[in-house]
Amino acid sequence: DAGVTQSPTHLIKTRGQQVTLRCSPKSGHDTVSWYQQALGQGPQFIFQYYEEEERQRGNFPDRFSGHQFPNYSSELNVNALLLGDSALYLCASSLEVPGQGYSPLHFGNGTRLTVT
Amino acid sequence: QQPVQSPQAVILREGEDAVINCSSSKALYSVHWYRQKHGEAPVFLMILLKGGEQKGHEKISASFNEKKQQSSLYLTASQLSYSGTYFCGTGGGSTLGRLYFGRGTQLTVWP
Repeated sequence: DAGVTQSPTHLIKTRGQQVTLRCSPKSGHDTVSWYQQALGQGPQFIFQYYEEEERQRGNFPDRFSGHQFPNYSSELNVNALLLGDSALYLCASSLEVPGQGYSPLHFGNGTRLTVT
Repeated sequence: QQPVQSPQAVILREGEDAVINCSSSKALYSVHWYRQKHGEAPVFLMILLKGGEQKGHEKISASFNEKKQQSSLYLTASQLSYSGTYFCGTGGGSTLGRLYFGRGTQLTVWP
C-alpha cells in the first residue's frame, strides 16, 4: 500500500520564477493538506483540499495556490518566488470521516525547495 | 495559535524516561503527536481528544489536560529508535485537518 508520494524531492529555483509541486495521497484518502516547514520549525498550514475545492487556507499570500484532481492528487503552485519561500513543503493526506472531529495526517517525505 | 513545546531538546540514555509538554492559549479539541526523523516525513503517533479518549502507538503514552489546555507525551524506557523531533499539533473542533504545530522537541537517545 503506497503512502503519500511527492515530487520532485528537490528543486532549485531563482527569485521571481514559478514552481509546481505534486502530491499523490495515500490510497483511500480523499483530503490533501499542504504544509511549509522552515528549517528548525514545525510545519505551517498552507491550505487543504477536499472534493477538488480549497476548504481551508492558512496565512499565506495569494502567490500560493493549489488544485486537487478527481483522483485526489494535488498540486501546489507558488508564483513570483521569494528567497523566504525556501523550505520543505510537505503534503499530508487524510480520510474525511463524517461526525469525527479529527483525522490523522499521513505525510509525504516532502519537496525541498531552494530559492536563489 | 501555535502551541508551545518544552523542552526544546532532550538527551537520554537507552532505558531512561522523558516527558515532552505541549501547551496552548486556545481551547483545544484535539492534540496530535508526530515524530520526524532527519530527512524523513513526520509520522503519526497518537491523537488525544477533548473528553478523554486516547489512542496510542507502540509504548509511548500521552495525557490531555483540558482545563490547563496542555498535553504531555511520555516516553518510558526509551529506545534508540525513539530519537527524532517530536511535534505536537493542536486542532479545534472546526478545523478538520488544519493543525497548528509547535516548534518541536529534539530527542536524542544514546546507547
